[in-house]
Amino acid sequence: AQTVTQSQPEMSVQEAETVTLSCTYDTSESDYYLFWYKQPPSRQMILVIRQEAYKQQNATENRFSVNFQKAAKSFSLKISDSQLGDAAMYFCAYRKGSGNTPLVFGKGTRLSVIA
Amino acid sequence: GAVVSQHPSRVICKSGTSVKIECRSLDFQATTMFWYRQFPKQSLMLMATSNEGSKATYEQGVEKDKFLINHASLTLSTLTVTSAHPEDSSFYICSARDRVGVMNTEAFFGQGTRLTVV
Repeated sequence: AQTVTQSQPEMSVQEAETVTLSCTYDTSESDYYLFWYKQPPSRQMILVIRQEAYKQQNATENRFSVNFQKAAKSFSLKISDSQLGDAAMYFCAYRKGSGNTPLVFGKGTRLSVIA
Repeated sequence: GAVVSQHPSRVICKSGTSVKIECRSLDFQATTMFWYRQFPKQSLMLMATSNEGSKATYEQGVEKDKFLINHASLTLSTLTVTSAHPEDSSFYICSARDRVGVMNTEAFFGQGTRLTVV
């Protein structure tokens, strides 16, 4: 079975600084997707960034980028120029590529942003 | 992006009663919807996969007779918590994917339902 591990229960960052959240996963599949979701206090799940396993290029979305190391099964999220609104729970998630498969989530990292 | 509407956002019910939670895809068709449960300060745990026109697939340890799932159309799935007990109090979230096209890779989430059983 696929597993997703987030080893940092909590992280903090100064406003305007950069922070990296770690995620590793375990799978025997070759076709899959990886995601980072943000869950603010409202608890609405918001997609931050997505990476297709077949793409070598790391995904970027404005201040958010990933470091996807397929061989190491590592998928870290870098948040640049951190803002107060970035404070939230961040979940790393995996989905098998084929079929209507669900997301498998890590345990999450709570990010605090210090003004 | 696509919108998934979940209703109600909050519900309080008495022990022993049943509660129905609706999950609707507003601007796309979802052959499959997923129901998750989230305890405080924990991750989302998959409860069941809801397939339009067929029986739901439940994860190990989830009581299918307690958590009834119906997916009667391509835009609506419902989760009914039957004979609710205080230990069923939790945050329930649904998600859905567009069945076709480029949107298929992404899951869209409802706003979640906070259930409190007293």
